[in-house]
Amino acid sequence: GAVVSQHPSRVICKSGTSVKIECRSLDFQATTMFWYRQFPKQSLMLMATSNEGSKATYEQGVEKDKFLINHASLTLSTLTVTSAHPEDSSFYICSAAKGGATDTQYFGPGTRLTVL
Amino acid sequence: DQQVKQNSPSLSVQEGRISILNCDYTNSMFDYFLWYKKYPAEGPTFLISISSIKDKNEDGRFTVFLNKSAKHLSLHIVPSQPGDSAVYFCAANVDELWAGKSTFGDGTTLTVKP
Repeated sequence: GAVVSQHPSRVICKSGTSVKIECRSLDFQATTMFWYRQFPKQSLMLMATSNEGSKATYEQGVEKDKFLINHASLTLSTLTVTSAHPEDSSFYICSAAKGGATDTQYFGPGTRLTVL
Repeated sequence: DQQVKQNSPSLSVQEGRISILNCDYTNSMFDYFLWYKKYPAEGPTFLISISSIKDKNEDGRFTVFLNKSAKHLSLHIVPSQPGDSAVYFCAANVDELWAGKSTFGDGTTLTVKP
């Protein structure tokens, strides 16, 4: 199988604090990991692409200083929402790709962030 | 400008019948298309994909059809089962090697009634 986990599954924080979300590929090495954001009743929006050992590539309109991404190893990527505000409340989903010509991505279960 | 559109936000079908979910795209550079299924509060699950060199790909009860000239693809589920009830996302890529850099549609909520 190809299992991707996220931790925590749900987090509530106060405005102004920072929150770290972990994404782990449990049984494979992920060359590339992706971070998505989903607003209620809306589609997934790709935020950034991260490759192990290099800086993440952010999509247009995503603040890199706001959403810090670290892909420390082939099995772990973290997303830190810095100085969170209520408008950052959302469902954050990561995915991981093994790499290669058929680069199917496997999604994590998502993290529900609520900023009070 | 939304490049991938799923114009039907919801679809309801009877168990055993065919479910047809539609997706339109505007970017002619897209050459790889995927369908995902998503339950509430979970991440999407990959269902089936199709490359632009094909017009049909079948996997069990799921078949994806691609009409490049119309920039349209559809997902057929036959026969539909109550467990198929979920949100279905269509996604498109400009490069098959980068399956993660997908542009997603807004999703269609499928309800299969017993």
